[in-house]
Amino acid sequence: ETGVTQSPTHLIKTRGQQVTLRCSSQSGHNTVSWYQQALGQGPQFIFQYYREEENGRGNFPPRFSGLQFPNYSSELNVNALELDDSALYLCASSLGLEVETQYFGPGTRLLVL
Amino acid sequence: GENVEQHPSTLSVQEGDSAVIKCTYSDSASNYFPWYKQELGKGPQLIIDIRSNVGEKKDQRIAVTLNKTAKHFSLHITETQPEDSAVYFCAASQETSGSRLTFGEGTQLTVNP
Repeated sequence: ETGVTQSPTHLIKTRGQQVTLRCSSQSGHNTVSWYQQALGQGPQFIFQYYREEENGRGNFPPRFSGLQFPNYSSELNVNALELDDSALYLCASSLGLEVETQYFGPGTRLLVL
Repeated sequence: GENVEQHPSTLSVQEGDSAVIKCTYSDSASNYFPWYKQELGKGPQLIIDIRSNVGEKKDQRIAVTLNKTAKHFSLHITETQPEDSAVYFCAASQETSGSRLTFGEGTQLTVNP
C-alpha cells in the first residue's frame, strides 16, 4: 500500500452534474498529480499541485479544476459532466517538483450516465 | 509533447518463462522512466524505475534497460509466476515538466500455470 487514499471509491452522476473527488497524499509528500484513466488506456495527466499552487496542466478543458489544501490533500472538481468523463480518476503524490517517484492511490471510478 | 508507445498490447507466457515489454519515447529531454503494475480494481503500483544516467537496473526477477540513443526502454521479468499477471505500464517524464508522467497504453500480461 502506498498511503495515498482517495474518496469515494465509486460514483455515478448524470450528464451536466458536477463532481468533487478527494485525495490524501502520502505523509510528507507536498505534490499531488491527478490523472484520468479511460477503460483500456494508460493514465493521462490532468494537472499537478505543489504547495497549494497549480504547477502544470495537461490537455483538459477548464471545467476540470483542482485545489490543494495546507495539509497537501487535494480535490479534483469536474463541472458540466459529459459521458466521456466516465473513467478511473487517479491521484499520485510525490516529494517535490524534481523528477521523483509518484505513488498512486486506488482511484475513484466515475460513471456518467 | 512527449509520446510513449508500448508493445505488445497483450502477452501470454507459461509460468517460469521470461516476459519482455518494450517502450519507445519521442522527447530526448525525458530522463526518468518508471514501470507500473496495475491489478484489476487497483491503482498503478511502481515496480521499478530508471534514470537516464543509468543503462540497466535490476531488482530480483525484474530488470529494466534503457537505450537513450534509440529512445527506447524495456521491462524484463524472469521466472514469471501467475501473480505477475496484470497490466503493465511504462511512462516517461523530464525535470522541466515537474513530475508529470506520460504513459504508454499498457500491456496485459497473462502467466499461465
